[in-house]
Amino acid sequence: GDSVTQMEGPVTLSEEAFLTINCTYTATGYPSLFWYVQYPGEGLQLLLKATKADDKGSNKGFEATYRKETTSFHLEKGSVQVSDSAVYFCALMDSGGYQKVTFGTGTKLQVIP
Amino acid sequence: DAGITQSPRHKVTETGTPVTLRCHQTENHRYMYWYRQDPGHGLRLIHYSYGVKDTDKGEVSDGYSVSRSKTEDFLLTLESATSSQTSVYFCATGRPSGNTGELFFGEGSRLTVL
Repeated sequence: GDSVTQMEGPVTLSEEAFLTINCTYTATGYPSLFWYVQYPGEGLQLLLKATKADDKGSNKGFEATYRKETTSFHLEKGSVQVSDSAVYFCALMDSGGYQKVTFGTGTKLQVIP
Repeated sequence: DAGITQSPRHKVTETGTPVTLRCHQTENHRYMYWYRQDPGHGLRLIHYSYGVKDTDKGEVSDGYSVSRSKTEDFLLTLESATSSQTSVYFCATGRPSGNTGELFFGEGSRLTVL
């Protein structure tokens, strides 16, 4: 079945550092790929998405490129802020019906001033 | 943002008791989902619904049942709670959009089974 593997956390960075969170996936067909973010005490919310190979999703300074050849969707940001501290989930939605989403285990990011 | 409310937000119960969690949405989304979130496992799908009275199992459905009698409400029931069901439960909704759509999440319900 479908699966998503993302790097273990927590990740601790200083403000303005460069962020990379690795994500790889296994899926049949042509899934869409997503990054969701969860702030403390809240539900998940969509950060960005890419629906086909070579697409780049971007939002709030974050970006990720759908790499079919390496089955990857790594999240990057050039300069993190304290307000980016959260848990980040990589996810895929399969090309079948009912829009079921498979999530990775989440990576906690802590940004220190 | 989709209006999704979960109730109760926090519950402590004892092993063997029945528990029902409610998800209510005001956006008329067709699809609804129940996930549980546990450390080291991320979010795992329990059950989902693709319309009124249309539901199916997810990857961790044992010990759980669901019902959807109205578009706006999706109930998750633990018939006889066990300590392994201590978790944070999230409801989510979605619209038909091929496979490109986002899910909208509630704020979660924290369940502790003693």
